[in-house]
Amino acid sequence: DTAVSQTPKYLVTQMGNDKSIKCEQNLGHDTMYWYKQDSKKFLKIMFSYNNKELIINETVPNRFSPKSPDKAHLNLHINSLELGDSAVYFCASSPGQGYSPLHFGNGTRLTVT
Amino acid sequence: DQQVKQNSPSLSVQEGRISILNCDYTNSMFDYFLWYKKYPAEGPTFLISISSIKDKNEDGRFTVFLNKSAKHLSLHIVPSQPGDSAVYFCAPGRTSGTYKYIFGTGTRLKVLA
Repeated sequence: DTAVSQTPKYLVTQMGNDKSIKCEQNLGHDTMYWYKQDSKKFLKIMFSYNNKELIINETVPNRFSPKSPDKAHLNLHINSLELGDSAVYFCASSPGQGYSPLHFGNGTRLTVT
Repeated sequence: DQQVKQNSPSLSVQEGRISILNCDYTNSMFDYFLWYKKYPAEGPTFLISISSIKDKNEDGRFTVFLNKSAKHLSLHIVPSQPGDSAVYFCAPGRTSGTYKYIFGTGTRLKVLA
């Protein structure tokens, strides 16, 4: 049973296109996240939702728009893709506030050509 | 502005010996510290944690030490096994307010058989 699942695993697209990455968790967690791992291997938080409410938005370009239809899903839509958006995007979830680690999905490798 | 540094990008250790991975942070407000392990093409997997009220936490072969005055934590793996070969990330965080974890750049551990 996959706890945090992301689709697709690989995404290759051209500059200027719009694409979405989907994430679902079956852990019953209240909080979900998007992290980006760039070419230098930094894992940086982009967004966090708690019970469908946006609680963290780390100065990400507004071409990136997260959407949480319910607390088990957090999707990431990216408009007008740029070369610099190429990275691995990880979805994660946690029970909520307090001392709780994050549970990560296996990532989506986005390549913009 | 890197709040979390793992200054050793890579480490090689003989099977059966001790592996020591280090992490330095700058933000004295961090009060919960996580270690993650990551295999290629997979998401980070939670390994062990420590809260700021402790200076040591042990779980099987893994022990994390926290030195708050030095803003330093380390992960000890004893004995090291080939299956431990992976990238290890430390991730300090704050559990109050809108908490989030800041990930280090990772240390690639290679355990030689």
